[in-house]
Amino acid sequence: GEDVEQSLFLSVREGDSSVINCTYTDSSSTYLYWYKQEPGAGLQLLTYIFSNMDMKQDQRLTVLLNKKDKHLSLRIADTQTGDSAIYFCAESKGAGNMLTFGGGTRLMVKP
Amino acid sequence: GAVVSQHPSRVICKSGTSVKIECRSLDFQATTMFWYRQFPKQSLMLMATSNEGSKATYEQGVEKDKFLINHASLTLSTLTVTSAHPEDSSFYICSARDLPYEQYFGPGTRLTVT
Repeated sequence: GEDVEQSLFLSVREGDSSVINCTYTDSSSTYLYWYKQEPGAGLQLLTYIFSNMDMKQDQRLTVLLNKKDKHLSLRIADTQTGDSAIYFCAESKGAGNMLTFGGGTRLMVKP
Repeated sequence: GAVVSQHPSRVICKSGTSVKIECRSLDFQATTMFWYRQFPKQSLMLMATSNEGSKATYEQGVEKDKFLINHASLTLSTLTVTSAHPEDSSFYICSARDLPYEQYFGPGTRLTVT
């Protein structure tokens, strides 16, 4: 079956880099996503990566994909207090298909 | 970017009543919308996939007679929680597919059943 796992919690100091990790089990996953959820709000798509890529950079965000190990990471450079939120990774089998979410990683940024 | 709205954002209802939640894609047409449920401090669980003009596809364990989904137009899907009970209290989030590989999420609806 499908399984997406993340660590529950990460705490960093403002200005440091944050790295949030995610592992998945289904090798047929073709799209991998990172979403941000602020308290009481819906999900904001941060970035996504196709499974045939191993890296994608978008401003302060860098996504690394190790397809062999089924490991996905999100690096946030120069982390700010406004980055404090829950970050979900998700995978899907094809374009526009349902998403399977990890449990979410709560990022706390200390001033 | 694509915007998805939900209404209401919060609703409190009495046990035994029905509640309708609307999900709208504001600036694009969505042939497919998804409904998710999120319990406190937990991840999102897909409830059903809603396709415009056809019956919704429900995930295993989701009662289709309790969670009625209607996708009558390319910009609107509705979720009706029928005969609500306290255990139905949750955060319900919809998403709509714009580009083939991107889903945009609504802000969510917090349902409290008393």
